[in-house]
Amino acid sequence: SYVLTQPPSVSVAPGQTARIPCGGNNVGSRSVHWYQQQPGRAPILVIYYDDGRPSDIPERFSGSNSGNTATLTISRVEAGDEADYYCQVWDSSSEQWVFGGGTKLTVL
Amino acid sequence: EVEVVESGGGLVKPGGSLRLSCAASGRTFSSSSMHWVRQAPGKGLEWVSSISGGSTYIYYADSVKGRFTISRDNAKNSLYLQMNSLRAEDTALYYCARGNLGESPSFDHWGQGTLVTVSS
Repeated sequence: SYVLTQPPSVSVAPGQTARIPCGGNNVGSRSVHWYQQQPGRAPILVIYYDDGRPSDIPERFSGSNSGNTATLTISRVEAGDEADYYCQVWDSSSEQWVFGGGTKLTVL
Repeated sequence: EVEVVESGGGLVKPGGSLRLSCAASGRTFSSSSMHWVRQAPGKGLEWVSSISGGSTYIYYADSVKGRFTISRDNAKNSLYLQMNSLRAEDTALYYCARGNLGESPSFDHWGQGTLVTVSS
């Protein structure tokens, strides 16, 4: 079955840019969605179809997808961005949704 | 404003059964795919099952296939998950999520989850 690989953790200072990778075999040919989950809260959608952004998500959040890596980029990181982030794709071969293992973003 | 609310969680013994429910408001329920996602304590998100708006397409994770059954009642704007032969590893917070429109849709609204604990 298809596997999405994320680093367990990423750390960044406030005001800097955080980049969270999501690796998968030819993931660039698939549509990737990203979710943010703050401690004790339900996940929320932050990026859909690689680079789409819901209207209530700040412009600081952006996404890209090419080759074997999709990337969630958070510009001008704030303390409130500290959360777990998950990537997701649909695997048509197995007819299953796949989540990455999640990345904990720490704001230093 | 979309609202998604799960219910039905609880403590159940291994081998037992439980039925989760999810009520969703907002955009026409019957147009939306619906999904169950779970999260074991301290772990990441794990997709469980999905159902299309008209119940034509139904999918399950390998870990629950043959034990769990997803269904929906569009007249009641409700989604269900019948869980049989429960195991300790099914212990998790179960989220209901609404699918956006389109192919391979994102899950655009999530409930707060209902906790299932499988223990003797």
